[in-house]
Amino acid sequence: DSGVTQTPKHLITATGQRVTLRCSPRSGDLSVYWYQQSLDQGLQFLIQYYNGEERAKGNILERFSAQQFPDLHSELNLSSLELGDSALYFCASSVGVTGGYTFGSGTRLTVV
Amino acid sequence: GIQVEQSPPDLILQEGANSTLRCNFSDSVNNLQWFHQNPWGQLINLFYIPSGTKQNGRLSATTVATERYSLLYISSSQTTDSGVYFCLPYNQGGKLIFGQGTELSVKP
Repeated sequence: DSGVTQTPKHLITATGQRVTLRCSPRSGDLSVYWYQQSLDQGLQFLIQYYNGEERAKGNILERFSAQQFPDLHSELNLSSLELGDSALYFCASSVGVTGGYTFGSGTRLTVV
Repeated sequence: GIQVEQSPPDLILQEGANSTLRCNFSDSVNNLQWFHQNPWGQLINLFYIPSGTKQNGRLSATTVATERYSLLYISSSQTTDSGVYFCLPYNQGGKLIFGQGTELSVKP
């Protein structure tokens, strides 16, 4: 157990729907990062939060949004889902903003 | 952001063989991590190594920051070493860019 908890582990949903992925960082870590891993794109950085505020943005679609709450857990919201959004979504956490990163076990999203 | 290039992209080994994986990066970094993604998809941190050499059992890593590369050595490979190995070099304020990984398959 890495200490980073992601729920749910698996999610199957239909196109056009909206889902929320949840991440609880390791105790003491203030930064949360979201990554998307699809078969043809590798590990893509989506967004980073530090202590509740957005810190860096990567290749995150406008249909996706995220936030970090006062208790430091984070949620990634994916809306108007398309088949191409099927992927493994990872959350990572770190103490500060320059690593080291610990990853959760991921949420496998399948859009049908 | 930092550009990352890993080589080789694929590697097939017989159990017991040794291997060296390479990670080249385009900019100076504060730190670098090596990860192993096992066949079940889990990303396991192997090393934090901004510079120098570290060893953990059959695995060791060396980063030469001034020359912008890092090496991961796997000795006496086992089937459980199979999976994809990623490096993640980073510096403060930059986007976090993973390499494309090296897919390792160890045959019994």
